[in-house]
Amino acid sequence: KAGVTQTPRYLIKTRGQQVTLSCSPISGHRSVSWYQQTPGQGLQFLFEYFSETQRNKGNFPGRFSGRQFSNSRSEMNVSTLELGDSALYLCASSLTGPNEQFFGPGTRLTVL
Amino acid sequence: AQSVTQLDSHVSVSEGTPVLLRCNYSSSYSPSLFWYVQHPNKGLQLLLKYTSAATLVKGINGFEAEFKKSETSFHLTKPSAHMSDAAEYFCVVSSYNTNAGKSTFGDGTTLTVKP
Repeated sequence: KAGVTQTPRYLIKTRGQQVTLSCSPISGHRSVSWYQQTPGQGLQFLFEYFSETQRNKGNFPGRFSGRQFSNSRSEMNVSTLELGDSALYLCASSLTGPNEQFFGPGTRLTVL
Repeated sequence: AQSVTQLDSHVSVSEGTPVLLRCNYSSSYSPSLFWYVQHPNKGLQLLLKYTSAATLVKGINGFEAEFKKSETSFHLTKPSAHMSDAAEYFCVVSSYNTNAGKSTFGDGTTLTVKP
């Protein structure tokens, strides 16, 4: 069974731009969660989607948004990028909820 | 509400000696507890999980953890460290209330293994 895949693996953007990251969960998994990882803040929960609905949300500004498609694939979007958005963005999938999660390799976003 | 505290941000051991990574948690509900490992520039990999079955949980690569409700702890141990164990380790608590679950990650413990 294929694992969680994230594309792209690396991104370089400039301040003010927007970016879309993609996550394909393990086949059959309906829950997808997104996390931001930085050296200063550690791993922070962004949001969780289940069956195309956002079920849980962390404490991030509205510039961070996401969606989930009927095939459970998920995207997250960050608009008006700031330098502080530079981070490793991790996607995790699970069968029904944020219990045992399987993580993708992450997307490394650098904002210049 | 739930929280998790990893008591050591850095742990250094010599190869072949025991490893102890400490984790305390709090949760208003019956929690599930996990340990994940992250090697540099990689995603997180599940080491082991506790989900209200046996309190002593065995995981991959020789790691195990014991759930102690009275102490609200879930410490990770390994009898003998290998160089390949050098990584960052995260303790995670998950619980469900209503229909939405939430996972809370600890700040991580960096394990260094000296030859």
